[in-house]
Amino acid sequence: KQEVTQIPAALSVPEGENLVLNCSFTDSAIYNLQWFRQDPGKGLTSLLLIQSSQREQTSGRLNASLDKSSGRSTLYIAASQPGDSATYLCAVKDDYKLSFGAGTTVTVRA
Amino acid sequence: IAGITQAPTSQILAAGRRMTLRCTQDMRHNAMYWYRQDLGLGLRLIHYSNTAGTTGKGEVPDGYSVSRANTDDFPLTLASAVPSQTSVYFCASSMGQGRNEQFFGPGTRLTVL
Repeated sequence: KQEVTQIPAALSVPEGENLVLNCSFTDSAIYNLQWFRQDPGKGLTSLLLIQSSQREQTSGRLNASLDKSSGRSTLYIAASQPGDSATYLCAVKDDYKLSFGAGTTVTVRA
Repeated sequence: IAGITQAPTSQILAAGRRMTLRCTQDMRHNAMYWYRQDLGLGLRLIHYSNTAGTTGKGEVPDGYSVSRANTDDFPLTLASAVPSQTSVYFCASSMGQGRNEQFFGPGTRLTVL
C-alpha cells in the first residue's frame, strides 16, 4: 500500500523567504506526482504535475523536483507572499488513483 | 467553462436518509473519481470510473454507490447515511488513467446527524 508523507506538517515564514516543502512515498512504481494547493474550505487546485520520467517541473515561482528511485519530491516556492498561505498537498498516481499526503500548512507573514 | 461542478455545496442529513451528491464536468474527461477528505485521514478514494458505463471501487467504497450513464455526470449515492459518512466530498476528473492530471471540484460538505 502506497504511503505518502509530507514534512513539515506546518510552516511559518516571513514574506520574501523561499519555501521548501517535502514529500516522500514508499512505492516508486508511480505514473506521476501532483502538487496541489488547498485554501480553507475550498477545493484542490493543481499546481504542478511531474511525470515519472521527469526530474523537475516549473511554473512561475514554483519548482518541483522528483527523485523516483528514492521516493522523494520537493516543492520550492520562491520569494513567498502572504497569498501563498494555504495547505499544500502532494499526491502520487498509481494504476487508478491518487494517494495523498496529509499536507503542509504554510503561513507567510507580512 | 465551469470545469467541475458539485451540488449541493453543503447538506445536513438525518441518519438513515438517502442522499445523492451530484458531479458534472464539461471537459469531456473520460475518468472521474469521488474522494472524501477527513481531518487526520487525508483524502481517500471512494469510487472511480474509467469511462462511461464502467465503475470501480476505491479504498473506502462501503456505504456508497455510483453510476456513470454518460461522460459528464458521476453521481455518488449514500443509500442509508450514517454519522461516519460526515465528511467533505470531492469529485475529480482526468482525461484518462495513467499519466493524466486530475482536476478537482469545489466539494460538498456533508453532515450526518
